[in-house]
Amino acid sequence: GENVEQHPSTLSVQEGDSAVIKCTYSDSASNYFPWYKQELGKRPQLIIDIRSNVGEKKDQRIAVTLNKTAKHFSLHITETQPEDSAVYFCAAYNFNKFYFGSGTKLNVKP
Amino acid sequence: SQTIHQWPATLVQPVGSPLSLECTVEGTSNPNLYWYRQAAGRGLQLLFYSVGIGQISSEVPQNLSASRPQDRQFILSSKKLLLSDSGFYLCAWSNAEAGANVLTFGAGSRLTVL
Repeated sequence: GENVEQHPSTLSVQEGDSAVIKCTYSDSASNYFPWYKQELGKRPQLIIDIRSNVGEKKDQRIAVTLNKTAKHFSLHITETQPEDSAVYFCAAYNFNKFYFGSGTKLNVKP
Repeated sequence: SQTIHQWPATLVQPVGSPLSLECTVEGTSNPNLYWYRQAAGRGLQLLFYSVGIGQISSEVPQNLSASRPQDRQFILSSKKLLLSDSGFYLCAWSNAEAGANVLTFGAGSRLTVL
């Protein structure tokens, strides 16, 4: 099956700085890569996604890049704000299944 | 629009007791359905997924089972709970007909086994 690894496990940044979270996957058949934000005690919510035929996607302060050859994808958050503090999960999809990374706890210090 | 309902929201059960968590989806047909478990401070572990009525795939051997008695209903069960079954259980759905598509989670069920 697919194996998704995510780094770092915790990330602390100053408000206004950028944050980068990286994931790798093992199965070249994976073709869809969503990112989720989970606030304490809540359900994960989709924040951005990218499909395997696209190298980069941006939505305001959030961007995702995908390198299919290297099997890695990254989440970039610019101009971080305290409300960005949460746990972020990457995922890889293939054959009807979504496999998640272990999560990154982002702390944005005001 | 589509909505997903999951209940109960919280429950405290003794070791050895049975479990039943229920999930229903509205506003779509023939969804792919999923059960995930999240241990405290940990990631999302895929437990079961279903691509149709009566079709259940298990990802990891465990003390749990799943059933899909109706198109938009997914149930997670256990006959005898273990302490290690404690966690946050999340039901989710995606649009099977659209191929790789958005996975939407229910609000979750927090299970504590004592």
